Amino acid sequence: DAKTTQPTSMDCAEGRAANLPCNHSTISGNEYVYWYRQIHSQGPQYIIHGLKNNETNEMASLIITEDRKSSTLILPHATLRDTAVYYCIVRPYSTHNDMRFGAGTRLTVKP
Amino acid sequence: GAVVSQHPSRVICKSGTSVKIECRSLDFQATTMFWYRQFPKQSLMLMATSNEGSKATYEQGVEKDKFLINHASLTLSTLTVTSAHPEDSSFYICSGTSASGGADTQYFGPGTRLTVL
Repeated sequence: DAKTTQPTSMDCAEGRAANLPCNHSTISGNEYVYWYRQIHSQGPQYIIHGLKNNETNEMASLIITEDRKSSTLILPHATLRDTAVYYCIVRPYSTHNDMRFGAGTRLTVKP
Repeated sequence: GAVVSQHPSRVICKSGTSVKIECRSLDFQATTMFWYRQFPKQSLMLMATSNEGSKATYEQGVEKDKFLINHASLTLSTLTVTSAHPEDSSFYICSGTSASGGADTQYFGPGTRLTVL
């Protein structure tokens, strides 16, 4: 049973903002939203996480709706190196909980 | 961010041999480490959860006698694929958990590509 729903693929023009949506309508109150990405033949790279407030770091911004049923990862100025599979994961806060990966969104940044 | 390393990055072995993969957390202590595998064009699938000093917990369908996991310290976990066969060829990825910023985050290694001939 998938906890998140993401589009299979998206394209974005280089230099433009990439907005990747994620639906998590069954999210529980103690679950965080995590975003990772995986560039071909590499391990997943942590991007950002949040509980209910919007978050921003040097890589991206995370916008979580007020009802927490969906979120959007924003890469403000996409580059060719941002081409990857992006995974949205919901998970309780605990050091013992693993990350369960769905199919993710394959983002292709085009020149 | 926290750094996790894996060794080797790729390995080719003959059918029937055993292969050991090391996973190290370089700048944090990982009380829990996880092992995943990824087949071509598929997502990561959790194999097992490993807590330092205790036996690993395996996911359904993963043979514990075939995939031996040792988590002897807070910075090192090893996965040994015993009597490897071609169907074990895959991309093996480990991760460790680090508590930071009010919520723990998993950091992943670069992966080990295993090819069994």
